[in-house]
Amino acid sequence: QQQVKQSPQSLIVQKGGISIINCAYENTAFDYFPWYQQFPGKGPALLIAIRPDVSEKKEGRFTISFNKSAKQFSLHIMDSQPGDSATYFCAASGVRGSTLGRLYFGRGTQLTVWP
Amino acid sequence: GAGVSQSPSNKVTEKGKDVELRCDPISGHTALYWYRQSLGQGLEFLIYFQGNSAPDKSGLPSDRFSAERTGGSVSTLTIQRTQQEDSAVYLCASSFLGRGGVADTQYFGPGTRLTVL
Repeated sequence: QQQVKQSPQSLIVQKGGISIINCAYENTAFDYFPWYQQFPGKGPALLIAIRPDVSEKKEGRFTISFNKSAKQFSLHIMDSQPGDSATYFCAASGVRGSTLGRLYFGRGTQLTVWP
Repeated sequence: GAGVSQSPSNKVTEKGKDVELRCDPISGHTALYWYRQSLGQGLEFLIYFQGNSAPDKSGLPSDRFSAERTGGSVSTLTIQRTQQEDSAVYLCASSFLGRGGVADTQYFGPGTRLTVL
């Protein structure tokens, strides 16, 4: 059972465009929602993260939008660049029970930004 | 400072052999995690250590899998009698643990690519 559902599976965007990746969850015990970026042959690296007390967090060209009532969150990459081409994973973890400590990952989105 | 390191980077073994994968976390990180990444399953949680104890082993797929952590630092993931379905990239991550066990950012190593022939 996939606790965090991510879409789309793949995304092709023109340079300068906006990339949008969406995730949804069911478990209300989740309270930490990071996004990871992974290049081929490398481990995932934290890109940006949000907690449910805010609805949006922006770091440079990367923005997380969070909708607590809908249990959805999304990553927006503004002015997408070819160097952003990578696999992006959303994830969630929580503060109690089985959600404590571990990250639950979405299945990933393969982003390709073409010049 | 140094990040999470894993060894070996690649391991090819024959079905039925045992393998050991090593993880060196970031110095001072109290929590250590093992995940497995495969094409069909994405990133799967295996086990999590807080210090030397493992409060959550729920992701270990079978009793052929075990892990230990010594001195609150290095961890070893052991797979006994390897099977072809064990082929995957095994990723280790580490983090600080805050109050109440709430985890800080998890930093990942480059992974060990395991191929079982």
